[in-house]
Amino acid sequence: QSALTQPASLSGSPGQSITISCTGTSRDVGGYNYVSWYQQHPGKAPKLMIYDVTNRPSGVSNRFSASKSGNTASLTISGLQAEDGADYYCCSYTSDYTLVFGGGTKLTVL
Amino acid sequence: QVQLQESGPGLVKPSETLSLTCDVSGYSLSRGYYWGWIRQPPGKGLEWITSIYHSGTTYYNPSLKSRVTISVDTSRNQFSLRLSSVTAADTAIYYCASHWSYDYFDYWGQGTLVTVSS
Repeated sequence: QSALTQPASLSGSPGQSITISCTGTSRDVGGYNYVSWYQQHPGKAPKLMIYDVTNRPSGVSNRFSASKSGNTASLTISGLQAEDGADYYCCSYTSDYTLVFGGGTKLTVL
Repeated sequence: QVQLQESGPGLVKPSETLSLTCDVSGYSLSRGYYWGWIRQPPGKGLEWITSIYHSGTTYYNPSLKSRVTISVDTSRNQFSLRLSSVTAADTAIYYCASHWSYDYFDYWGQGTLVTVSS
């Protein structure tokens, strides 16, 4: 079970949009519409931001959106704000009934 | 709203068994939901360990399956993790979490740091 591939780090200026990619295989990301995204601030527990590829839980800003194409899922944050600086993780269901996370992306808001 | 709180020893000796409990409030484990454990080595990423459905069906990360046991105690409204034969590589923050749908975690505990050291 290999971790999904995410860029280690990204940065953007306030007001800009950024996209974090999450690449897997046809046995996980590409095979199912079961990708979720989590935001984690230092010293805090992860927070669910997106589930089932595109759905936002109640209370999550609509500046967060997500999509999937083939074996790659993407999380887009528009109108970047200082509070968006955090680590982001994708997670996918897999064909052997397990769950696998991405390696994480550290987002810096300049 | 579901609330979760991990508890257990913060220090475990190599080759021993790590045991953690997650107390759940705001929801009865017997009613439904999946319940899981995720860990995060210091400065590293998240790793799913195991999950259990309220009925008792279990799911394991293949890389840890031989050493992991998850169980539910509905009378105490808690679920537990046991990880045997630990090494320094098992040092991590361990989170318990709930998932209404198997594929995503909606509520998380605050996490507890477990260090494996003699």
